[in-house]
Amino acid sequence: GAGVSQTPSNKVTEKGKYVELRCDPISGHTALYWYRQSLGQGPEFLIYFQGTGAADDSGLPNDRFFAVRPEGSVSTLKIQRTERGDSAVYLCASSSGGGITEAFFGQGTRLTVV
Amino acid sequence: AQSVTQPDIHITVSEGASLELRCNYSYGATPYLFWYVQSPGQGLQLLLKYFSGDTLVQGIKGFEAEFKRSQSSFNLRKPSVHWSDAAEYFCAVGASNTGKLIFGQGTTLQVKP
Repeated sequence: GAGVSQTPSNKVTEKGKYVELRCDPISGHTALYWYRQSLGQGPEFLIYFQGTGAADDSGLPNDRFFAVRPEGSVSTLKIQRTERGDSAVYLCASSSGGGITEAFFGQGTRLTVV
Repeated sequence: AQSVTQPDIHITVSEGASLELRCNYSYGATPYLFWYVQSPGQGLQLLLKYFSGDTLVQGIKGFEAEFKRSQSSFNLRKPSVHWSDAAEYFCAVGASNTGKLIFGQGTTLQVKP
């Protein structure tokens, strides 16, 4: 596609439920990143994929968070047993290389846990 | 620890006035520095970046930024602000091996007519 696509754009879920957030990167981009942006804050790094593998998952806050990218393209961020503190905008970005190259961001998924 | 500080949470300027948004970073190696803009309902858009070379970098929409190693700063400037520049601005430092970005808290720019 023309840009990074994230679905859904909004997600409301009940505390304790499981959610999946999807990211379609720019075609051909090998690097994919997930960030979380809480209200009034800058984005915080969660995880980085180079191809199919998670090269750096140091930003995942705990083991309720998991992400996959099985075919090296689409990625899914999975959150188990959601908590109200997980409410945030989840941003996905992709780039053509794994080092310092321009990353293109999607518009994000706004997750609200009630 | 790597970090980015944007001291001004909120700035208001009059349309046509000049603008400077401050950014200070802490990074152990050679910093790769970025400014992004985020408009309501929009994704983050790259304004400009500094990797090496000339310390004054030009970006889109008439923005520029100057890298000052001695001050660990990368301030964003624009000589004449337009109403459409009202948005949230983020400074970020990037890790050279992964491209992972560390963002500042952001500065909200309001433009008065």
